[in-house]
Amino acid sequence: DTGVSQDPRHKITKRGQNVTFRCDPISEHNRLYWYRQTLGQGPEFLTYFQNEAQLEKSRLLSDRFSAERPKGSFSTLEIQRTEQGDSAMYLCASTLGGETQYFGPGTRLLVL
Amino acid sequence: AQKVTQAQTEISVVEKEDVTLDCVYETRDTTYYLFWYKQPPSGELVFLIRRNSFDEQNEISGRYSWNFQKSTSSFNFTITASQVVDSAVYFCALSADQTGANNLFFGTGTRLTVIP
Repeated sequence: DTGVSQDPRHKITKRGQNVTFRCDPISEHNRLYWYRQTLGQGPEFLTYFQNEAQLEKSRLLSDRFSAERPKGSFSTLEIQRTEQGDSAMYLCASTLGGETQYFGPGTRLLVL
Repeated sequence: AQKVTQAQTEISVVEKEDVTLDCVYETRDTTYYLFWYKQPPSGELVFLIRRNSFDEQNEISGRYSWNFQKSTSSFNFTITASQVVDSAVYFCALSADQTGANNLFFGTGTRLTVIP
């Protein structure tokens, strides 16, 4: 059973550009979470999906952020009009039934 | 509201020493879960343990042990006979089923450096 995968692992972009990240959860895991981690901090919850439904979004998820999980499999997180403050590690996790969350390797975003 | 406090920002120990990482949590929920994750330099969060609020038994797994005390709202993690490979940032986390999301609330982490 493969773990959670994320793509790309690193992304450098210029301020104002749009970026999209992908997460492939562990197969058959019905819940998928996105977190953001800034330097020296613990991960912070952004949003989660149960199957294809996005059930909760934190206040950290501004209007420039959008997430999807079509067909309840992989998920994408898009950031529009990136700002320097968006520079962070974006982590994806999946779980079956809401118990232990297993994390992917993350996508490191640097906005210049 | 959920909160996790890891007061130790950084700890350095010499190889083979024992080390305890502290975690104090706050929640008003009676049902909750506590976790420890390890984050090596590669960045991936590695799951170590999960305890639920009704199970206060301490647990040992090899060189790792965990002490859960509801009376002091603490869930401490001890590494016995530390090794260089234990060097990482360790996060304590809490989830409670307030809204059904069961999202994790993390502490700020403790960076452990094991010196050979």
